[in-house]
Amino acid sequence: GENVEQHPSTLSVQEGDSAVIKCTYSDSASNYFPWYKQELGKRPQLIIDIRSNVGEKKDQRIAVTLNKTAKHFSLHITETQPEDSAVYFCAASSNLPGANSKLTFGKGITLSVRP
Amino acid sequence: EAQVTQNPRYLITVTGKKLTVTCSQNMNHEYMSWYRQDPGLGLRQIYYSMNVEVTDKGDVPEGYKVSRKEKRNFPLILESPSPNQTSLYFCASSLGQGRQPQHFGDGTRLSIL
Repeated sequence: GENVEQHPSTLSVQEGDSAVIKCTYSDSASNYFPWYKQELGKRPQLIIDIRSNVGEKKDQRIAVTLNKTAKHFSLHITETQPEDSAVYFCAASSNLPGANSKLTFGKGITLSVRP
Repeated sequence: EAQVTQNPRYLITVTGKKLTVTCSQNMNHEYMSWYRQDPGLGLRQIYYSMNVEVTDKGDVPEGYKVSRKEKRNFPLILESPSPNQTSLYFCASSLGQGRQPQHFGDGTRLSIL
């Protein structure tokens, strides 16, 4: 089955700097890659997702890039703010015929933005 | 308002006492699933359901049961809870499996003494 790994497990940045969170996946059939943000004590919420037919997607200060050859995708946050402090989960799934389209999550990365 | 509702939000109970955590969604979603979240282990899927009367095991199904008699409800049942089931549980729903964003409930924190 799919295995999704996130590195590093924690990341601390200065407010205003950029943060990059990387994930790798193992199943070459995976073609959908969402990112979820979980603030302390709250539920995970989707912040951005990318499908395998594109290499990059942006939404204001957030962007996601995908490298299918290397089987990794990254979340980029620019001009970080204290409210970006949270746990970020990446995930992967496939809806190809015959594939198990279960969404597999990474273990999460704790991002801390220092004021 | 579109939402996934879990009850209870918090529960402290004792080993062996059967409990049910309810989950209800109002978005007419076909796909529902249960996850448990433990420190350092991320979100692990317990069971999922692709539609009414269709359920299947996720990655960590041992000790849990589910049912899907109606499209909107997907209860999680712990027949004989044990301390290793102490965890934070999330129910989620989506239009379909895989390539659809999952909508999560607010979570249920279970403590089994």
